[in-house]
Amino acid sequence: ETGVTQTPRHLVMGMTNKKSLKCEQHLGHNAMYWYKQSAKKPLELMFVYSLEERVENNSVPSRFSPECPNSSHLFLHLHTLQPEDSALYLCASSQDAGTGSSPLHFGNGTRLTVT
Amino acid sequence: GQNIDQPTEMTATEGAIVQINCTYQTSGFNGLFWYQQHAGEAPTFLSYNVLDGLEEKGRFSSFLSRSKGYSYLLLKELQMKDSASYLCAVRDGNYQLIWGAGTKLIIKP
Repeated sequence: ETGVTQTPRHLVMGMTNKKSLKCEQHLGHNAMYWYKQSAKKPLELMFVYSLEERVENNSVPSRFSPECPNSSHLFLHLHTLQPEDSALYLCASSQDAGTGSSPLHFGNGTRLTVT
Repeated sequence: GQNIDQPTEMTATEGAIVQINCTYQTSGFNGLFWYQQHAGEAPTFLSYNVLDGLEEKGRFSSFLSRSKGYSYLLLKELQMKDSASYLCAVRDGNYQLIWGAGTKLIIKP
């Protein structure tokens, strides 16, 4: 059982739809992350929030819009996606952002398919 | 550019030992992580190395050589449940995490 919960586990959406991914962490961590995981590729960092403030945005297309209302919740709002956006989207948390030994704790991810 | 290299796939036999290598080229170094990811599940933290040498945790050990830009994860007494992908990640000089593409480990009876 993970201390980071993501919903939904699976999502199929058309290119004109709008949907949101939700992440909740129960670990009391101060930093939360969105990653994209595609087959046989390294994890791609999308967004980082530290104490509810966005600290990193890695040139992610504007069709992905994050929201962090408090330190326990993180959303990823999706609109007008492309088929190449189909991937596993992982949420993670850590005690602090960017410190050396602090490991990430991941959720089980949302498997997104864009049709 | 920064890069992490690890084998795409490895196969080993139940009860045996397997070593998964990871080499890295990064701008600075602030530690190396290993994670395990079963299919359809979250990556889970296995180990962290920041100093040279071997760290042992039960059946799993992780080794680091900073001068060679090299690490390995050693799995002993392999069990079927060890079939998973193993991800290597390095914190660079700016504390950014650089990820490898992962090694899929297949355990055969």
